[in-house]
Amino acid sequence: NAGVIQTPRHKVTGKGQEATLWCEPISGHSAVFWYRQTIVQGLEFLTYFRNQAPIDDSGMPKERFSAQMPNQSHSTLKIQSTQPQDSAVYLCASSFSDRVGNTLYFGEGSRLIVV
Amino acid sequence: AQKVTQTQTSISVMEKTTVTMDCVYETQDSSYFLFWYKQTASGEIVFLIRQDSYKKENATVGHYSLNFQKPKSSIGLIITATQIEDSAVYFCAMREEDSSFSKLVFGQGTSLSVVP
Repeated sequence: NAGVIQTPRHKVTGKGQEATLWCEPISGHSAVFWYRQTIVQGLEFLTYFRNQAPIDDSGMPKERFSAQMPNQSHSTLKIQSTQPQDSAVYLCASSFSDRVGNTLYFGEGSRLIVV
Repeated sequence: AQKVTQTQTSISVMEKTTVTMDCVYETQDSSYFLFWYKQTASGEIVFLIRQDSYKKENATVGHYSLNFQKPKSSIGLIITATQIEDSAVYFCAMREEDSSFSKLVFGQGTSLSVVP
């Protein structure tokens, strides 16, 4: 069975440009989560979807960051006007449902570098 | 608010020995779930083992086991017969039952080096 697939694995973008990251969750999983990982902050929750509907985006920076899930097989995280502090590894995870007892399974992440 | 703390930044052990990684957590909920994940050099985060707070028996999967001490809010990960390929960063994480949403909160991670 394929795990969570994230593309691109690496992306270098210039300051002020837009970056879009893609995630394909495990087939049959109804909950999709986005996390960001940096050396300083560690693993931070950004947002999550249940059955494609946005449920909680409390971890998302209010400006420039947006996430969508147009269908059950993929989600996108878009960062507009990227800044150096957006450099991080962005991780997508999915779980069978968003009930707390369910395990999250992570992709390999997308490393974003803003120069 | 929930919080997960891993105080060991890095550990180095000899191959084939046993290592324990510490994790303490804070929660107001009576029901919660604790997880350990491993992040490999490639960056992949792999689920290892979990403990449900209402279960008294410590979870065991392969050469991973947990030392769940609920009164101390502690969930240690024990790796027996360590192998070189166990070298990675290990994260402890928690989800609360009564949260309005089921966010998984992580500790800062412990880097494990297994040397020959």
